[in-house]
Amino acid sequence: QSALTQPPSASGSLGQSVTISCSGSSSDVGAYMYVSWYQQHPAKAPKLLIYDVSKRPSGVPDRFSGSKSGNTASLTVSGLQADDEADYYCASYAGSKNLGFFGSGTKVTVL
Amino acid sequence: QMQLVQSGSELKNPGASVKLSCKASGYTFSNHAIHWVRQAPGQGLEWMGWVNTNTGTPTYVRDFRGRFVFSLDTSVNTGYLQISSLQADDTAVYYCARQLATMSYDVWGQGTVVTVSS
Repeated sequence: QSALTQPPSASGSLGQSVTISCSGSSSDVGAYMYVSWYQQHPAKAPKLLIYDVSKRPSGVPDRFSGSKSGNTASLTVSGLQADDEADYYCASYAGSKNLGFFGSGTKVTVL
Repeated sequence: QMQLVQSGSELKNPGASVKLSCKASGYTFSNHAIHWVRQAPGQGLEWMGWVNTNTGTPTYVRDFRGRFVFSLDTSVNTGYLQISSLQADDTAVYYCARQLATMSYDVWGQGTVVTVSS
């Protein structure tokens, strides 16, 4: 189903930063400001980190930031902590026909 | 606090049906659509679609048209997902989630594990 491509894995050292990409097309990521990012720990429900490309829900630390350039969205996690080790998914609206997709997911390892 | 509480795990035979529930509390149910997301074992998230909690109108992503039905009982602030003619590849965790904004979900249920096996 996924039309959004993420790298399968990414890693960073404690205290450093990691950036995850979410590559879509001009019909989804490139067309709308409706990209969101989720963190999922094993056997847990996903947690919303970013919505509308760069907005943070209340309670999400500003270590998490989102951006978009063309057809690619990005999530940056700064000041990596051990608990940031998780799977991360992007999602994007894709219009009234295709509706939307989640990305393929990226496993982040904190070294 | 705002929460979605889902029904318990299900073990079903192939060909059977199942109805999962998702009970909302701590917020005005009609203000936020309920979305459904599937996650097969070891796999990523698949968006299934949503139900408008004002009108009850469901919208299904292409891969989930036919055997999947979203419904509501607004008297008890609960959404339902019914799956018919269960197949082995329906084995997954099914999540409900509250819509915050377009394609963003800020409150999630704990998930319901559905296992389809003879």
